[in-house]
Amino acid sequence: KQEVTQIPAALSVPEGENLVLNCSFTDSAIYNLQWFRQDPGKGLTSLLLIQSSQREQTSGRLNASLDKSSGRSTLYIAASQPGDSATYLCAVYSNSGYALNFGKGTSLLVTP
Amino acid sequence: DTGVSQDPRHKITKRGQNVTFRCDPISEHNRLYWYRQTLGQGPEFLTYFQNEAQLEKSRLLSDRFSAERPKGSFSTLEIQRTEQGDSAMYLCASGTLIYEQYFGPGTRLTVT
Repeated sequence: KQEVTQIPAALSVPEGENLVLNCSFTDSAIYNLQWFRQDPGKGLTSLLLIQSSQREQTSGRLNASLDKSSGRSTLYIAASQPGDSATYLCAVYSNSGYALNFGKGTSLLVTP
Repeated sequence: DTGVSQDPRHKITKRGQNVTFRCDPISEHNRLYWYRQTLGQGPEFLTYFQNEAQLEKSRLLSDRFSAERPKGSFSTLEIQRTEQGDSAMYLCASGTLIYEQYFGPGTRLTVT
């Protein structure tokens, strides 16, 4: 069974800092990897989708990388803002392509 | 396109009661997914529909849980004889492509 781990579980940084969130997965035979944002008590917002043939994706201040051979992905957030405060979830698609396997998330707090 | 909608947003019920949740996917999305998220955890896959056919069910979906998508549009998730361990956020997602899921706001269930 695919296991997805996210480190750190929680992170607090001052506004303006660059930061990296880490995600690792046990089975490198993944299809795609997706990063989500979740605000307290809310649903999930997709941030970036990296296809298995890609090594990174960028959207604005966000950059996600994927290294299938080592079973790792990172989400880089540049020039963090208080509005970035949320839980960030990493998820990989199973072999069937139906289920997303999620990590427990990293809770990010950006202080003014 | 108003996104995936779920109803109700919050449900409080007493142990032993039955509850039913509804999910309305984005128009023309033929794929529909249900996930459960407990506090501090990432979402866990429950079941998947393609049109009206239920193609995959997680072992988490015990006999007390049943999901339907009778006309390939909206879906319902019913929990019979609720237990305190059923307290969670129930998330619905829809999509058209196999590696694409758009999530709704979720239904938060509290079993007292």
